[in-house]
Amino acid sequence: DSGVTQTPKHLITATGQRVTLRCSPRSGDLSVYWYQQSLDQGLQFLIQYYNGEERAKGNILERFSAQQFPDLHSELNLSSLELGDSALYFCASSVGETATGNTIYFGEGSWLTVV
Amino acid sequence: AQSVTQLGSHVSVSEGALVLLRCNYSSSVPPYLFWYVQYPNQGLQLLLKYTSAATLVKGINDFEAEFKKSETSFHLTKPSAHMSDAAEYFCAGDFGNEKLTFGTGTRLTIIP
Repeated sequence: DSGVTQTPKHLITATGQRVTLRCSPRSGDLSVYWYQQSLDQGLQFLIQYYNGEERAKGNILERFSAQQFPDLHSELNLSSLELGDSALYFCASSVGETATGNTIYFGEGSWLTVV
Repeated sequence: AQSVTQLGSHVSVSEGALVLLRCNYSSSVPPYLFWYVQYPNQGLQLLLKYTSAATLVKGINDFEAEFKKSETSFHLTKPSAHMSDAAEYFCAGDFGNEKLTFGTGTRLTIIP
């Protein structure tokens, strides 16, 4: 158990819908990262927050957004869903402000299936 | 471009045999390097990491990896495979650009 908690574990929704994935980082970690794992793209970095502020942005679509709340939990919002958004979405956390030099711990992921 | 390459998307070894999973990086400056394991229907678990303190890194479950700058490699090994080692293994690099860059993964199958 990495200490990173993600909900829901599985989610099935229709195209065009909107979903929210939730993540609680490890106790004491201030950074939260979101990654997407799909068969064709592999593991892709989406976005990072540090202590409530956006810190780094990766290959995140405009239809996706995220935020980190004062209690440090984070939510990833996916809207206007398409079939290609079906993937495993990982949340990860680390202590430091940057990924560099810090160990990043991953949650078990949220499986999203768009039908 | 900075990247991590894993050679062999599928590797099969017999139980008790040596496990060798290959990872090479492309970068002018050596990155921090990590190996993660993903068991079926589970998340990513950190096996070990290289942060320049020592070239031979020991991790959990008897896995180890050796950083070789001359070969730009960070191969993962385990002396004796166990059935429970069947999983997907990811090599990742931290190139100082605020994210981990992952390889495409190697699925390890253990033959009884």
